[in-house]
Amino acid sequence: NAGVTQTPKFQVLKTGQSMTLQCAQDMNHEYMSWYRQDPGMGLRLIHYSVGAGITDQGEVPNGYNVSRSTTEDFPLRLLSAAPSQTSVYFCASSRGGKTYNEQFFGPGTRLTVL
Amino acid sequence: AQSVTQLGSHVSVSEGALVLLRCNYSSSVPPYLFWYVQYPNQGLQLLLKYTSAATLVKGINGFEAEFKKSETSFHLTKPSAHMSDAAEYFCAVGDSGNTPLVFGKGTRLSVIA
Repeated sequence: NAGVTQTPKFQVLKTGQSMTLQCAQDMNHEYMSWYRQDPGMGLRLIHYSVGAGITDQGEVPNGYNVSRSTTEDFPLRLLSAAPSQTSVYFCASSRGGKTYNEQFFGPGTRLTVL
Repeated sequence: AQSVTQLGSHVSVSEGALVLLRCNYSSSVPPYLFWYVQYPNQGLQLLLKYTSAATLVKGINGFEAEFKKSETSFHLTKPSAHMSDAAEYFCAVGDSGNTPLVFGKGTRLSVIA
């Protein structure tokens, strides 16, 4: 099993550009989520999904879109990048659609917006 | 609403000394509690979790945590720190529904030789 994979590992964008951060898992997990990690702020939830076709907003959803067309993939779209979106982004998944199960995290994508 | 407070954004201990990382939670329902560890430039991985079976939970790498309902605490301990324990540690609280986990802000552990 590859677990949770994220691409790209690093990305530099200019203000106003759009891009998609990719996340995939091969564990057949129903629950997937996106977090951003900023110094002193811990992990903040952006969006999450309890199964294919179902998504919901987390704590900091503005400026981001998600969709969940398959169980395996959960891409995060930045519509118009802003310097405030400079961060490290983590995708996570867990089985059974329940967040009390162990969450498996990807290695992260480090994004810089100039 | 659930919340987690981790006391101390940075803890420094000597190699071989006791590690104590503090976590207090707030939850209106019986909580599920977790400790995750993040090594430099990596994602998070589960250290241990409390799911109401036993109040003292043992995890990987010699870490353990005790659930104390009266104190709403779930502190993480390790009797003897090793250099390889240097990392960031996150406490998180969840419940039995679909409510997402709530993470604390993290505590960075430094181990001094």
